[in-house]
Amino acid sequence: EIVLTQSPGTLSLSPGERATLSCRASQSVSSSYLAWYQQKPGQAPRLLIYGASSRATGIPDRFSGSGSGTDFTLTISRLEPEDFAVYYCQQYGSSQGYTFGQGTKLEIK
Amino acid sequence: QVQLQESGPGLVKPSETLSLTCTVSGGSISSYYWSWIRQPAGKGLEWIGRIYTSGSTNYNPSLKSRVTMSVDTSKNQFSLKLSSVTAADTAVYYCARTPRVYDILTGYYPQYFDYWGQGTLVTVSS
Repeated sequence: EIVLTQSPGTLSLSPGERATLSCRASQSVSSSYLAWYQQKPGQAPRLLIYGASSRATGIPDRFSGSGSGTDFTLTISRLEPEDFAVYYCQQYGSSQGYTFGQGTKLEIK
Repeated sequence: QVQLQESGPGLVKPSETLSLTCTVSGGSISSYYWSWIRQPAGKGLEWIGRIYTSGSTNYNPSLKSRVTMSVDTSKNQFSLKLSSVTAADTAVYYCARTPRVYDILTGYYPQYFDYWGQGTLVTVSS
């Protein structure tokens, strides 16, 4: 079973700063099977990035994804007030289905 | 605009069966994977299982013995049944869609959830 570990658990930054969120897999993951989501309190997750680096429809270009193999990164170039939320990475494996990382909470400093 | 809406009882007794339905509007249910995902309060996301419109299913190995999913294409709905529930099954339950789109460049079908329902809270309690 592939386990996704996100770091840091909490990231405290100010609007305008750059955020770098990490997602590490216990085994190699196909980039096609790696996605990122944003979740705000009381809301469903929203797809940000799929295929490790492709932005979903309507997602601002300040959000970018990168990585391959076991190490993936979500970068938010310049934080806007609405970006403070919890972020999850997700992978797919043919034997276990979909799994999510435990999440990174991005909070205002 | 595609919309998903979960419906079902908000309270289920221990040892009974949790039943939820997801209604898809604004688009066809055909040719997509449809999943159930849950989230206990204050915790992360757990995938429960998925169904293709052909009726083919895949379940989370940890829940497989208790999960049954079905699809009704005539009603644009799919459903979840989770048997023998305990307090540990208390969570917000989401339904979500996965497109089946072949990526020529990679040779894969990317796997992600592009549309989600708003979620419904199910509490297991006597």
